[in-house]
Amino acid sequence: DQQVKQNSPSLSVQEGRISILNCDYTNSMFDYFLWYKKYPAEGPTFLISISSIKDKNEDGRFTVFLNKSAKHLSLHIVPSQPGDSAVYFCAARGSGGSNYKLTFGKGTLLTVNP
Amino acid sequence: DAGITQSPRHKVTETGTPVTLRCHQTENHRYMYWYRQDPGHGLRLIHYSYGVKDTDKGEVSDGYSVSRSKTEDFLLTLESATSSQTSVYFCAISESMGTGGVEQYFGPGTRLTVT
Repeated sequence: DQQVKQNSPSLSVQEGRISILNCDYTNSMFDYFLWYKKYPAEGPTFLISISSIKDKNEDGRFTVFLNKSAKHLSLHIVPSQPGDSAVYFCAARGSGGSNYKLTFGKGTLLTVNP
Repeated sequence: DAGITQSPRHKVTETGTPVTLRCHQTENHRYMYWYRQDPGHGLRLIHYSYGVKDTDKGEVSDGYSVSRSKTEDFLLTLESATSSQTSVYFCAISESMGTGGVEQYFGPGTRLTVT
């Protein structure tokens, strides 16, 4: 069963507009959530994280929102730039005995058009 | 960028041959991980290490073994490669698994093709 879901395989936005990438999870024991960006032929790059005790974390153009009751998080990129075009992975960390493990979604391909 | 290198970066091998992939870090991080990335599956954990000579299985460990004899090196071995192990393999490191410091930093990947 897929514990971290990214239901949109792709998203296309115009340069300067907002990009919103969504992620849903099923395991209420996850205690940290992370977003990674991946360019072709490169390894994933850490973008931003949020603890389960918070509902928002911001870093420059990137903001992550967490809605625990809905088991939903989203990554907002404002304003979007062509260099943001990449695959974005949502990941979640288990607590307690599973705290070594990150569970990843399947990714969303973001295309930012000039 | 975290100092993580993987070798080789590309490899083509035949079914049934042994293959070893190497991950090398210069960050002195305690934790190291091997993932594979396949279309439609995201990143899946194969094995991880929580110290020298301390390793454990991830979710897709069948057919793989690992070793860590030094802090900086983590080896992934396919004892007898199969076509289902054609994939892109990523090594990752992290400093801590406690509160804070949960980020894992990834290497550039190794593309393995088993024919």
